[in-house]
Amino acid sequence: EVQLVESGGGLVQPGGSLRLSCAASGFTFSDHYMDWVRQAPGKGLEWVGRIRNKANSYSTEFAASVKGRFTISGDDSKNSLYLQMNSLKTEDTAVYFCARLYAAAGTHRHDYWGQGTLVTVSS
Amino acid sequence: DIQLTQSPSFLSASVGDRVTITCRASQGIRSYLAWYQQKPGKAPKLLIYTASTLQSGVPSRFSGSESGTEFTLTISSLQPEDFASYYCQQLYNYPITFGQGTRLEIK
Repeated sequence: EVQLVESGGGLVQPGGSLRLSCAASGFTFSDHYMDWVRQAPGKGLEWVGRIRNKANSYSTEFAASVKGRFTISGDDSKNSLYLQMNSLKTEDTAVYFCARLYAAAGTHRHDYWGQGTLVTVSS
Repeated sequence: DIQLTQSPSFLSASVGDRVTITCRASQGIRSYLAWYQQKPGKAPKLLIYTASTLQSGVPSRFSGSESGTEFTLTISSLQPEDFASYYCQQLYNYPITFGQGTRLEIK
């Protein structure tokens, strides 16, 4: 059974840093692209960024709103995904979800999601 | 960026009703569109991918279609567990974008 479990959320002051983790199980982690998606309180879903798989050199993509402040990494030996968030702003307050991307010719989708972890940026 | 305009934003309906939610893309996305259901405090759940393919385990009352840059999610006969929020998503290019959501409530 595929499972994704996020951790690391909490309260942080503006300008601070936080690292989120996503522990994956039930599939070969190194084969898949992984994304982070966030949802501000009462708002819609916003894609944050992606890390490609080992075959694609773990390259990354980011939304403009977080580019230069957030980085994504993975540890295949631990089946874990990370989101390092620096220079946090109040508008980064959200529930952060990790999601597995299923990618094949002509089709992409986020087929599995974690339960989310809440990040609150406030003084 | 590709904009997804989802309508309506809010929908009130009764059990047994047929409902349709529309998602219009600002440019072509070659069927790289997915639909998700989200209940309060929960993660999104994949319903439909590649515009019209039903995800395994999702009831057949859910269906998706496309016509050019317009995509629709249809629920043929609403069940009590279907009252939730629904989002479309394009995965054609970066940045990945979502529609603003449709909140489906019981009339």
